[in-house]
Amino acid sequence: GDSVTQMEGPVTLSEEAFLTINCTYTATGYPSLFWYVQYPGEGLQLLLKATKADDKGSNKGFEATYRKETTSFHLEKGSVQVSDSAVYFCALTTGNTGKLIFGQGTTLQVKP
Amino acid sequence: NAGVTQTPKFQVLKTGQSMTLQCAQDMNHEYMSWYRQDPGMGLRLIHYSVGAGITDQGEVPNGYNVSRSTTEDFPLRLLSAAPSQTSVYFCASIDRDRGWDTEAFFGQGTRLTVV
Repeated sequence: GDSVTQMEGPVTLSEEAFLTINCTYTATGYPSLFWYVQYPGEGLQLLLKATKADDKGSNKGFEATYRKETTSFHLEKGSVQVSDSAVYFCALTTGNTGKLIFGQGTTLQVKP
Repeated sequence: NAGVTQTPKFQVLKTGQSMTLQCAQDMNHEYMSWYRQDPGMGLRLIHYSVGAGITDQGEVPNGYNVSRSTTEDFPLRLLSAAPSQTSVYFCASIDRDRGWDTEAFFGQGTRLTVV
């Protein structure tokens, strides 16, 4: 079945460091890909998405490019801030179902 | 807009007790769903509904019941709680009129502990 795999966490960085969180997927169809973020004590919220190959999603300085050839959707940010500390989830959806398949989540801690 | 509202935020149950987790949304979304979040496993789909009167099972439905009598509400029932149901539960809704790959809106979650 369809699945999403994220890099193991936690990831600890200093402020202004470069961030990469790896995400790869397996899907039988043509998935749409998402990054959701969960700040402490809150629900998930959409960070960015891409719906077809070579699309780049971006928001709040974060970027991810839909790479069909490597089945990847890695999240990057050039300079992280303490306020970026959160849990990041890579997810996909296929077909007309609304079902989201999530990776296991990666905890990011940014230290001043 | 309030968005997606879940109650309660925290709950402790004894094994065998029953309870209902409430979820309400005020965005007139037809699609609603329940997920559970466990460490190292991400979120897994329990049940979902594509509209009032229609529900279906997700990946991990055992031990849970749902109903959808109105567009706004989608309660999740635990009939006989078990320690394996200790988890954080999230309700989500999607405006499917904007497409199936559109943003899902999540509630703040219910942290359930079964002892």
